[in-house]
Amino acid sequence: GAGVSQSPSNKVTEKGKDVELRCDPISGHTALYWYRQSLGQGLEFLIYFQGNSAPDKSGLPSDRFSAERTGGSVSTLTIQRTQQEDSAVYLCASTAFSGNTIYFGEGSWLTVV
Amino acid sequence: SQKIEQNSEALNIQEGKTATLTCNYTNYSPAYLQWYRQDPGRGPVFLLLIRENEKEKRKERLKVTFDTTLKQSLFHITASQPADSATYLCALAFDNFNKFYFGSGTKLNVKP
Repeated sequence: GAGVSQSPSNKVTEKGKDVELRCDPISGHTALYWYRQSLGQGLEFLIYFQGNSAPDKSGLPSDRFSAERTGGSVSTLTIQRTQQEDSAVYLCASTAFSGNTIYFGEGSWLTVV
Repeated sequence: SQKIEQNSEALNIQEGKTATLTCNYTNYSPAYLQWYRQDPGRGPVFLLLIRENEKEKRKERLKVTFDTTLKQSLFHITASQPADSATYLCALAFDNFNKFYFGSGTKLNVKP
């Protein structure tokens, strides 16, 4: 596609429910990142995928968070048993190779009530 | 742990002036330093990248400097316009390019 696509753009969920956020990176981009941005804060690294290598999961805040990337393209970030502190914008980004320009999607706004 | 500091107070300047934003970091110097623009409700947009062995980079009205001794990068917008009003983020990457560390950003307001 023309850019990084994320869905849903907005999600309101009840505390304790599971949510899935989807990212469709730019075609041909091998690297994919997930970041989280709380209101007025900087971006917090969550996870990184590069080709067929094992993902760097060092930023995932708890075992309630997981992500996968199928076929080296689309990625899904799953948050289980959501908590109110999970409310944030979840941003996905992709790049052709590490260290190059990173292209961000518009984010998925998650609100846990 | 690595810390990145950007002025949390908004920068208010008059149209036509040069805006200068600061990014300071602690501990290790990054291999790359990037600047992004973020508008409300939107994802960040890449502007410029500067490498550790570069002192200065320019792109149109934008200029970035990188001083590894001071552990600081300066981001300049010359002849600023109201359309330049946004939040500007700096991001650092090290030899391991798996992740970029972002500052919390500085909001720039350019008044006509």
